[in-house]
Amino acid sequence: SQQGEEDPQALSIQEGENATMNCSYKTSINNLQWYRQNSGRGLVHLILIRSNEREKHSGRLRVTLDTSKKSSSLLITASRAADTASYFCATVNMEYGNKLVFGAGTILRVKS
Amino acid sequence: SQTIHQWPATLVQPVGSPLSLECTVEGTSNPNLYWYRQAAGRGLQLLFYSVGIGQISSEVPQNLSASRPQDRQFILSSKKLLLSDSGFYLCAWTSESNQPQHFGDGTRLSIL
Repeated sequence: SQQGEEDPQALSIQEGENATMNCSYKTSINNLQWYRQNSGRGLVHLILIRSNEREKHSGRLRVTLDTSKKSSSLLITASRAADTASYFCATVNMEYGNKLVFGAGTILRVKS
Repeated sequence: SQTIHQWPATLVQPVGSPLSLECTVEGTSNPNLYWYRQAAGRGLQLLFYSVGIGQISSEVPQNLSASRPQDRQFILSSKKLLLSDSGFYLCAWTSESNQPQHFGDGTRLSIL
């Protein structure tokens, strides 16, 4: 299985602090994507990083990818209460028909 | 702009009853379409995907089926629901299989 696995399973921080979530996977990938899910809602795409990229930024989000370690991290800087959500990594593997394979997610709670 | 609609938002059904969940996409043509199920506190499990009208691929053997009668319509069905079919069902679309997916708001299905 190439399923991504997020770490930690749950994270609780104070508003203004940074939040770091990690994702590990098992097979070679085409790209890795991060998604956010508010409680009871659908997933929203945050950022896509290709296998030949090492770092990508989008606003307060920073994603890194280390293909040698088969891992990625998502950093949210200066967190806000509105960042409270579940965050999922998903990998795309051409050998797996380019289907997204999701991890179990990290539940982030930002306390105000 | 593209939008995705999923309905109903919640559904309570007795064991053994039929099921029909509908998903439609607007503002794009020939999308790839996906049905996922999410158990509480877990990641997404891919159930079915479709790359064109009448083309359905099943990922997990079960008593569910999917159909794509029109380009932008994807339907998830069952003839007889089981207790284990309870969960949160999400529909998604993408323009290309290795690109970000766009999700509907999901259907919360409870089987009694």
